[in-house]
Amino acid sequence: AQTVTQSQPEMSVQEAETVTLSCTYDTSESNYYLFWYKQPPSRQMILVIRQEAYKQQNATENRFSVNFQKAAKSFSLKISDSQLGDTAMYFCAFRGGGSNYKLTFGKGTLLTVNP
Amino acid sequence: DTAVSQTPKYLVTQMGNDKSIKCEQNLGHDTMYWYKQDSKKFLKIMFSYNNKELIINETVPNRFSPKSPDKAHLNLHINSLELGDSAVYFCASSQAALWGEAFFGQGTRLTVV
Repeated sequence: AQTVTQSQPEMSVQEAETVTLSCTYDTSESNYYLFWYKQPPSRQMILVIRQEAYKQQNATENRFSVNFQKAAKSFSLKISDSQLGDTAMYFCAFRGGGSNYKLTFGKGTLLTVNP
Repeated sequence: DTAVSQTPKYLVTQMGNDKSIKCEQNLGHDTMYWYKQDSKKFLKIMFSYNNKELIINETVPNRFSPKSPDKAHLNLHINSLELGDSAVYFCASSQAALWGEAFFGQGTRLTVV
């Protein structure tokens, strides 16, 4: 069974600075998908960024980028130029490459951006 | 237009009651899910339907019964509610042949008193 570990329950960063959230996972599959979701106080789950395991290139979406290290099974999220609106719970999620489409989530990291 | 919508957003009910949560998606996706988020914010899959067929049924009490009348709808019925059922329940959908990333509804906060 796949597991996803987020070792930082809480983090804080000053506005305009950069922060990195950690995620590691365990799987025996060679092809899979990884995601970061954001859950602000509104409770809505919002997809931030995604990565296919067979792609070497790290995904980037505006101020959000990932550092995907397949051999180390690590998938960290970097947020540049942090904004107050980035304050949220961030969840790392894994989806296997087969027909089991479920997402396995980490326990989340609560990120607070301070003014 | 809301892509994945679930109703109600809030539900307060007494122990022993039966309640339903409804979910609809207008994304044309073929797979729908129910996830449960507990008080510690941990998200866990409960059920998944692909083209109206149940494909994932995690260890969930029999009191929980999903129903998918068509690809765009997935409802969750809960019998004999218990205090421990209090949680946020999320509906989600995805297109299995693509990334499989899930699009989530806004969640239903269920409080059993």
